[in-house]
Amino acid sequence: EPEVTQTPSHQVTQMGQEVILRCVPISNHLYFYWYRQILGQKVEFLVSFYNNEISEKSEIFDDQFSVERPDGSNFTLKIRSTKLEDSAMYFCASSPMGTQYFGPGTRLLVL
Amino acid sequence: GESVGLHLPTLSVQEGDNSIINCAYSNSASDYFIWYKQESGKGPQFIIDIRSNMDKRQGQRVTVLLNKTVKHLSLQIAATQPGDSAVYFCAETGMEYGNKLVFGAGTILRVKS
Repeated sequence: EPEVTQTPSHQVTQMGQEVILRCVPISNHLYFYWYRQILGQKVEFLVSFYNNEISEKSEIFDDQFSVERPDGSNFTLKIRSTKLEDSAMYFCASSPMGTQYFGPGTRLLVL
Repeated sequence: GESVGLHLPTLSVQEGDNSIINCAYSNSASDYFIWYKQESGKGPQFIIDIRSNMDKRQGQRVTVLLNKTVKHLSLQIAATQPGDSAVYFCAETGMEYGNKLVFGAGTILRVKS
């Protein structure tokens, strides 16, 4: 059964550094998403992406965040200058339309 | 508004018993609801979904009930097994949310053998 995959599984970085989180969505899906989950809290929407552009973003998704689909398979989330409060699990999801299927997540720790 | 450091409700059941996990959703205009299971260190895993034109949907060992009058969703798990132990989240979406999911706080299910 096809799955969403994410790399790396864990990332430790220093405050102020740039990180790129990578996702390979399910191949025939058209809608892509990033969510995050701070430890012990709800899963929160960050951004959705369709037809090579952002379709919606939350207030969390400020100018420090960007997304890209550099080729036909990868979908990336970049945080330009990480802050301590960016420490969280970051989940990629993809959807044909409707149900969203999540990847295993990247645990980001900002020191 | 958001809560910091949520204390999740916990449901403890004996192996073999039925479990009922409840969720109150936010928006009466939401028209699609999904239950996800999240095991420790993993991403949310789709369990079952329901659209607002239905009030009940059954899957394998799971049933979702939707009560739009009181904005309530429940997940019933029959013959609960140790592998069902996880955090369960409901999520809602609809026109007002675009196509993003809005997650509930979650419930911890612990299955005792």
